[in-house]
Amino acid sequence: DQQVKQNSPSLSVQEGRISILNCDYTNSMFDYFLWYKKYPAEGPTFLISISSIKDKNEDGRFTVFLNKSAKHLSLHIVPSQPGDSAVYFCAASVSNYQLIWGAGTKLIIKP
Amino acid sequence: DTAVSQTPKYLVTQMGNDKSIKCEQNLGHDTMYWYKQDSKKFLKIMFSYNNKELIINETVPNRFSPKSPDKAHLNLHINSLELGDSAVYFCASSQYRLAGGQETQYFGPGTRLLVL
Repeated sequence: DQQVKQNSPSLSVQEGRISILNCDYTNSMFDYFLWYKKYPAEGPTFLISISSIKDKNEDGRFTVFLNKSAKHLSLHIVPSQPGDSAVYFCAASVSNYQLIWGAGTKLIIKP
Repeated sequence: DTAVSQTPKYLVTQMGNDKSIKCEQNLGHDTMYWYKQDSKKFLKIMFSYNNKELIINETVPNRFSPKSPDKAHLNLHINSLELGDSAVYFCASSQYRLAGGQETQYFGPGTRLLVL
């Protein structure tokens, strides 16, 4: 029972363009969403988060959008840079309890 | 000065053996976690400790036993290893007691366990 789904295992984007990573969820009780980034042979590192009371949160080149009616969130990276090549995990929690993670999307930035 | 460290990074062992993975954090955090990343790449929480007290214990076989000698350390001992235990195990920590998403979790580099 996958409550958090990242349906694209990988995504390839040209350097300088926008990268859009998508995440769908099934549990309407989720009230907090996060994106983590992971390089090979390293653990995930926190990137950006959003509370369910908001529909957008921005931090530099990274913006997360939340569409509660569609149970969908997305991460936009503009402009994409080579160092953004990594696996991106979407995660969610209910009432600040444990995180439920997606399977990740591998982002490849082409020079 | 690694924030969250795990040893060993790689572990290859035979079925039936007992093994331990160690985790240490030097961030002064109160809460530590063990996650398992399975073959489908999902990260699933196994345990969480706050100040040496177990606060999350997900449905994992009782062959897995966490031990927290102090709040900077959370070790994972696995008895009678099985093929299905092959995975990457991540340790993580966060500052406060709450185990959920509103706190940033800091992860170790992972331990790649292969059971033959």
